[in-house]
Amino acid sequence: EPEVTQTPSHQVTQMGQEVILRCVPISNHLYFYWYRQILGQKVEFLVSFYNNEISEKSEIFDDQFSVERPDGSNFTLKIRSTKLEDSAMYFCASSDVGGRIDQPQHFGDGTRLSIL
Amino acid sequence: GEDVEQSLFLSVREGDSSVINCTYTDSSSTYLYWYKQEPGAGLQLLTYIFSNMDMKQDQRLTVLLNKKDKHLSLRIADTQTGDSAIYFCAELSGTYKYIFGTGTRLKVLA
Repeated sequence: EPEVTQTPSHQVTQMGQEVILRCVPISNHLYFYWYRQILGQKVEFLVSFYNNEISEKSEIFDDQFSVERPDGSNFTLKIRSTKLEDSAMYFCASSDVGGRIDQPQHFGDGTRLSIL
Repeated sequence: GEDVEQSLFLSVREGDSSVINCTYTDSSSTYLYWYKQEPGAGLQLLTYIFSNMDMKQDQRLTVLLNKKDKHLSLRIADTQTGDSAIYFCAELSGTYKYIFGTGTRLKVLA
């Protein structure tokens, strides 16, 4: 069964540094998402992306965050100047058609981001 | 505001049924989902229900939806040790965004 893959599985970065988290969504999917889960807390929506533009973003997704689909297969989340509170598990997801129950979001295994 | 609540822990004996509960606040939610998260792993879609349904059964899983009380439950029949995980309910908010619950940690005792 096709799956969403994320790399790396664990990223350790110094505070203030830029980090790029990578995702390969399921190949025929059109909608892409990032969520994060701070340790012990809820999974929180960050952003959704369709047709090469952001379709919705949360208040967490401020100017230090950006997303990009640099080619036909990858979907990236960039954090420009990391802060300690950015430490979390970041999940990428994809779906075929946004908002349809028969096309739910499929999640990757996540990238654990640790900011020192 | 949108909020999804779950009890934090549930412990059952192997072979018993597990019932994991969830309440949500957005009455316009049309789609509700259950995801499973095993240690160190991602979110695995288990099942889902559309808001015009009361019940959905999928092998050992039964989802019940009470729209009036905004209450969703997941029943796992004949619970096995491999079912030990965190279970998240989620509602679709708008077109794209899932709102997740706090997660219920299910522990199955042998």
